[in-house]
Amino acid sequence: DAGVTQSPTHLIKTRGQQVTLRCSPKSGHDTVSWYQQALGQGPQFIFQYYEEEERQRGNFPDRFSGHQFPNYSSELNVNALLLGDSALYLCASSFHTNTGNQPQHFGDGTRLSIL
Amino acid sequence: GEDVEQSLFLSVREGDSSVINCTYTDSSSTYLYWYKQEPGAGLQLLTYIFSNMDMKQDQRLTVLLNKKDKHLSLRIADTQTGDSAIYFCAERSDSGGGADGLTFGKGTHLIIQP
Repeated sequence: DAGVTQSPTHLIKTRGQQVTLRCSPKSGHDTVSWYQQALGQGPQFIFQYYEEEERQRGNFPDRFSGHQFPNYSSELNVNALLLGDSALYLCASSFHTNTGNQPQHFGDGTRLSIL
Repeated sequence: GEDVEQSLFLSVREGDSSVINCTYTDSSSTYLYWYKQEPGAGLQLLTYIFSNMDMKQDQRLTVLLNKKDKHLSLRIADTQTGDSAIYFCAERSDSGGGADGLTFGKGTHLIIQP
């Protein structure tokens, strides 16, 4: 039973470029959340997708956008990259129930470095 | 706004118990979580507790929740070298609509002395 998988594992970009990160949720999960973890910090919530729609967003600018596909996989897009966007980007998946979502399970992340 | 605070470092001797503490500010928190992160890896869910519970035990792990003081702790019994990692406390608020983005602390580095 595969857990949450993310690709690529590492990525190097330059300022002003655009990047797309990908996530496949754990089998049976239908909800995907994205987090940014800067060095030495805890993860910061970016947004959450369910039923192919963004249903909650953290305090991140519009340069950060996402998408969820019918198979529940998800993409995170970041435009006009800044040096401060260098971080580990974590994807988490969970299963939505009528009494609330089950706990989120995380992938190993994509390490994004901006030069 | 929401805030989660943790001590940055904890050093314990192998075989002793480790107690990692966390405080949070959001009174509408519904679930509280403990995650473990090893170097170069993602977050591993260790355990979680619903806000109407006081305690939860799972093998070597014991979670205590004091909702009045908004204080959460994780006790690891018989700490081993493999427990060396960063431990994150996270809270989930009832934001409505079923959405549940988590708010994390900065993490506690658990250092095991031989």
